[in-house]
This record gives sequence, C-alpha cells and structure tokens, in this order.
Amino acid sequence: GAVVSQHPSRVICKSGTSVKIECRSLDFQATTMFWYRQFPKQSLMLMATSNEGSKATYEQGVEKDKFLINHASLTLSTLTVASAHPEDSSFYICSARQLAGNTIYFGEGSWLTVV
Amino acid sequence: QKEVEQDPGPLSVPEGAIVSLNCTYSNSAFQYFMWYRQYSRKGPELLMYTYSSGNKEDGRFTAQVDKSSKYISLFIRDSQPSDSATYLCAMSPQSGGYQKVTFGTGTKLQVIP
Repeated sequence: GAVVSQHPSRVICKSGTSVKIECRSLDFQATTMFWYRQFPKQSLMLMATSNEGSKATYEQGVEKDKFLINHASLTLSTLTVASAHPEDSSFYICSARQLAGNTIYFGEGSWLTVV
Repeated sequence: QKEVEQDPGPLSVPEGAIVSLNCTYSNSAFQYFMWYRQYSRKGPELLMYTYSSGNKEDGRFTAQVDKSSKYISLFIRDSQPSDSATYLCAMSPQSGGYQKVTFGTGTKLQVIP
C-alpha cells in the first residue's frame, strides 16, 4: 500500500518554542492531507484539512495561529505548533488522500511532549 | 446525533473466534467506506475499502456494506492475538476532490490467547 512518512516520530520541546512536523507521501501524489490530534484512549480528532497550494481549512475550535499548516507540494505538508505549551502535548497524525481516488493513508504519527 | 456511530468496546474474544465490528451512519451521501486498524501508539493502517453494497473479502477480513440500512461491518475470521487493536470505520461521499472523511470513534478489540 501507499506510504506516508511522518517526521519526527517523537519530539520533546520546551514550553514557548515552536515545533514543526512533516508529512510526506512517498509513492503517490496527495492533493489533500489531513492533520489529526489524538489523546490517549480517544479517537482521532480532525484539526485541519490541507489542500496543496491553498490555505488549510481548520475545524471549529482549532487555533489557526497556533497550528500552522503548509501544503507546499503534492507530497509534503507541515504542521507547526507555535509557542507550544504543555497542554499541546499529544499524538499528532497526518493522512494523505491519493490524487486519484478517495483512499486515505496515514502516517505513523508524531508524539509531541512539551515540558 | 453523530454522523457515524461506532461502539467503543472494548470487545474481548478468544483466539479463533469470528469478530464482528460495526458502524452505523446517518448521511446517505456516504458512498465510500474504509476500515482502519490502529495499534497502540501508532498511526492507523488501512485494511479495506469498498464503494458498493455487499461483501468484499481479503484474507481473514470481510467488509460488508448495507446502504439501505446505513450499516457497515468488518468481520475477522480465525482471530489472532495480533489482531488486538482499535478498529476505525471511515466514510466519505463518493466523488473525489476534497471530500471530508468522517471517522467512527473506534472499537477496541482484544483477542485472548
């Protein structure tokens, strides 16, 4: 199946710093990428939908100035957590939809710990 | 009412049992259905996808869609301890482009040796 790579898989940062997470579709082109957040033992929570070449669409309650999403190419989207705080500590997962079709593939996720 | 309802479980079964995982939905526009498996602390892995009503089989897994009842199922035959994970259903309108995918909350499955 298609591969979506997410990097870094784990990151620890100090409160107040910014962290960037990359999501790459390795063997297909993705016009749309999705960013999720997942708390322990809870379901995926969609944060935003990222379309190549245009601004991301954020879900209600998600701060666009805090979670900056850039989808610069058909294979790369980035999520930057600006001025991270301990409450931003979570598991962040991206997914990518193939250019042709509706199938969505997920990255392995990134654990963010803000200390 | 949520667009997609899925029993969170946990569901515990003995090894070798047939497992039935289910989702119901309310949006008749959904035409494309997916099942994902998520191991603890990992990203979800696509298991199966289907467009049409009826059954689709892949090894020990069978996906079933009943659009008239707005009900989808995933059956796992001869369940193994390695099948222990959270299973998520997902669905979207058929047309391509930027259609939003809606996920169920996931059912946690534990297969006991």
